[in-house]
Amino acid sequence: AQSVTQLDSHVSVSEGTPVLLRCNYSSSYSPSLFWYVQHPNKGLQLLLKYTSAATLVKGINGFEAEFKKSETSFHLTKPSAHMSDAAEYFCVVSDRNSGNTPLVFGKGTRLSVIA
Amino acid sequence: DTGVSQNPRHKITKRGQNVTFRCDPISEHNRLYWYRQTLGQGPEFLTYFQNEAQLEKSRLLSDRFSAERPKGSFSTLEIQRTEQGDSAMYLCASSLITTVNNEQFFGPGTRLTVL
Repeated sequence: AQSVTQLDSHVSVSEGTPVLLRCNYSSSYSPSLFWYVQHPNKGLQLLLKYTSAATLVKGINGFEAEFKKSETSFHLTKPSAHMSDAAEYFCVVSDRNSGNTPLVFGKGTRLSVIA
Repeated sequence: DTGVSQNPRHKITKRGQNVTFRCDPISEHNRLYWYRQTLGQGPEFLTYFQNEAQLEKSRLLSDRFSAERPKGSFSTLEIQRTEQGDSAMYLCASSLITTVNNEQFFGPGTRLTVL
């Protein structure tokens, strides 16, 4: 069975400072890992995805995530937060070798950005 | 806008009534998923289709819930005899069968409120 643990339910940063959203996963298979963002009253938007190519994955809006198999982690980072980054972020795992499995979401981390 | 549309965007109903939601996936996508998201939680898988065949159902999908995808294009999710616990955001996602990493594209969701 697959699972995702997002270690912080809420993170608050000042505008212009770095962002770190932490995620640990559990998977019996080779995982695909994703980060999705959800702005208020908007749909889920894919930020980035890991699919076994490079372990450091670059996404949209300056976000990055690094896959660390030894630590079973896939933390999301951004060097400098912007006010528009305030949203809910979800870490997601899926079995890469089977396209039939649904996505398994973490509970989410709410990012607040203070001016 | 991912190209996945859902209607209605909001639905308010009284306990005991039936409701039906519609999802139109990206036109060439042959997989279609339904998820449910309650307040403060990540989305949870309900069911999925490959073309018109319903291939998997979650334990969350009680017998009051039924989903169809009659021609392998749009899908409907019906909830009979709604209960207050059904209040949630219902999300639809679609993907291509050839997608090796199971990347799914989400619609904006239908927010259901049961009074």
